[in-house]
Amino acid sequence: LAKTTQPISMDSYEGQEVNITCSHNNIATNDYITWYQQFPSQGPRFIIQGYKTKVTNEVASLFIPADRKSSTLSLPRVSLSDTAVYYCLVGAHRRLTGGGNKLTFGTGTQLKVEL
Amino acid sequence: DVKVTQSSRYLVKRTGEKVFLECVQDMDHENMFWYRQDPGLGLRLIYFSYDVKMKEKGDIPEGYSVSREKKERFSLILESASTNQTSMYLCASSSGTGGNQPQHFGDGTRLSIL
Repeated sequence: LAKTTQPISMDSYEGQEVNITCSHNNIATNDYITWYQQFPSQGPRFIIQGYKTKVTNEVASLFIPADRKSSTLSLPRVSLSDTAVYYCLVGAHRRLTGGGNKLTFGTGTQLKVEL
Repeated sequence: DVKVTQSSRYLVKRTGEKVFLECVQDMDHENMFWYRQDPGLGLRLIYFSYDVKMKEKGDIPEGYSVSREKKERFSLILESASTNQTSMYLCASSSGTGGNQPQHFGDGTRLSIL
């Protein structure tokens, strides 16, 4: 079971870069790392996914070191609208396991962006 | 854009009642999931289904069952609701068979058991 650990909260200001780290010491060989964003009264929304090294898309970058025991979500130049909870998900759902399927969400990081 | 629709945003039921939470997705996704979300505990997987009539237990299946009779619909059933099942319930779907595809979530059902 790839238990994940994230900071409970982070504060930032508009225009700054924010880096949120997730620790997952027991990550399995087949596991990917996925980050989601959640606003109040909404379901989580996919941001980015990676397996190793670095992945970048139009909203974020994901850095994964060689040992894959942690990952860092990087949000460039945050704005007030980036205030949300960010979840790190490690794992994959597997068929025909008979039970105990493990998709481990962290408890999330509350990011607060101020002017 | 993928749409995952949960039938109710808020639901209030009584202890011992049988409760049905419904979820529908419109993108022909193979996989569907039910999670519960509680403060300080994050999201925990209850069940997932990778095909019609197929289901797999997640981390916390006790007290719940599921039904998937059609590909687009996944139901979560509380056979005899208890107060400790008061929570936010989230449904999600994803495509493919690899197990790593990003999930698309509905906006949740906040269930209160009195």
